Order: sequence, then C-alpha cells, then structure tokens
Amino acid sequence: RKEVEQDPGPFNVPEGATVAFNCTYSNSASQSFFWYRQDCRKEPKLLMSVYSSGNEDGRFTAQLNRASQYISLLIRDSKLSDSATYLCVVNKNTDKLIFGTGTRLQVFP
Amino acid sequence: NAGVTQTPKFRVLKTGQSMTLLCAQDMNHEYMYWYRQDPGMGLRLIHYSVGEGTTAKGEVPDGYNVSRLKKQNFLLGLESAAPSQTSVYFCASSLARSSGNTIYFGEGSWLTVV
Repeated sequence: RKEVEQDPGPFNVPEGATVAFNCTYSNSASQSFFWYRQDCRKEPKLLMSVYSSGNEDGRFTAQLNRASQYISLLIRDSKLSDSATYLCVVNKNTDKLIFGTGTRLQVFP
Repeated sequence: NAGVTQTPKFRVLKTGQSMTLLCAQDMNHEYMYWYRQDPGMGLRLIHYSVGEGTTAKGEVPDGYNVSRLKKQNFLLGLESAAPSQTSVYFCASSLARSSGNTIYFGEGSWLTVV
C-alpha cells in the first residue's frame, strides 16, 4: 500500500464548478500536510498547508481528518487556470516528504 | 532571484554513459534534495543533503551518486546510465528539515536513456 494515495483522475469540470479531491495517508505518525500544484511539464509549487482546524485561501479550502487519515482540497468557482495536477504531500517529521501521485484537474469552458 | 536552478534541462544518453546533473540554489538553504518523477509513481527521493559536505540516501538511491562540496550546489551523478533511469529529475532546497512549506523546486531536468 502506498503511503499517500490519491485518485489520479482526471476530473473534468466546467468553469464555475466546485470540485473536491481526497488524499489518504497510511502513517498515523504523519505530522504536517500540504497541497501542491503542478502544471504540465513544470515543477511542483506549494498551494497551501493543511491545518488541523481546516483552512481557507480564497477559493481553496483544505481540511484534515486525523482520525480517518485523510486530507481534502475543495476548489470553488473553478477557473480555466486551475487546470493542473494537485499533489498531496505528507511529512512524518523525518528528513523526507512523501508525495502522492497527484490528481489531475481539467477545467473546461 | 534565481531560486533553484538545474542544468541541463534536457539530455539524451546512451546506455552505459555517465553524466552529472547540477543543482544550484541562491537562498542559503541548508537542505537540498534530488527527486525523480515517473508516471503513476509520484515524486520519489533519490538522495538528499542536510548541509555542506553531507549526503544521505533517499527512497531510490541505487544507480546514483551525489556530492555537496559547496552549500549552494548539489550534484547528481549517473555513473552508468540505464533505460530505467529515464525520468524527470527535480532538485529542491529547503530552509528547514523537510518542511513542506519552505521547499522550493527547480524547473526539472528531462533525461532519456536509450
């Protein structure tokens, strides 16, 4: 079983739609969590950290459920520019980050 | 503000050839990493360094060597390239130990081994 698992998608949604991605992690000792965005043939870039109480950044909302060991990302009012792959990232407080394989989002007009 | 710079960006190698990927960062970061990204596999850590003169193995170190002679540079070497090493390689650096919100990636190096 992979340490971090994501639905690869693709999720095809129209502009203006709300879309949600989930990510599950296997190690209960995981301590910090992040969502990264990766555009085609580009490097990953931090989208947002995920805090236990949940957090919001504009149209993006991230939530953490430690009991069920999953993280979610909600995107409201999708834009064409949101088309990308979204990576779930987990840190077990070691020298390594664990990356999910990513969920691909395609927003169409 | 260059951030993390990788060279070369693209390279085609023949099986058995050797090459070195160079990563340079200008943010005075202590931690540097080399990842590879393959379809369906996500980013996997090859080697990393927690400071000048140090290196450590990551998840998939076989077939690679690294050196961190200067704080700003982290070199990834392939001594005898194999087709299985065809991948996209990302270098990254961070201020703190594997802190997901302070890690910055280079633009990637596309390597094909034929």
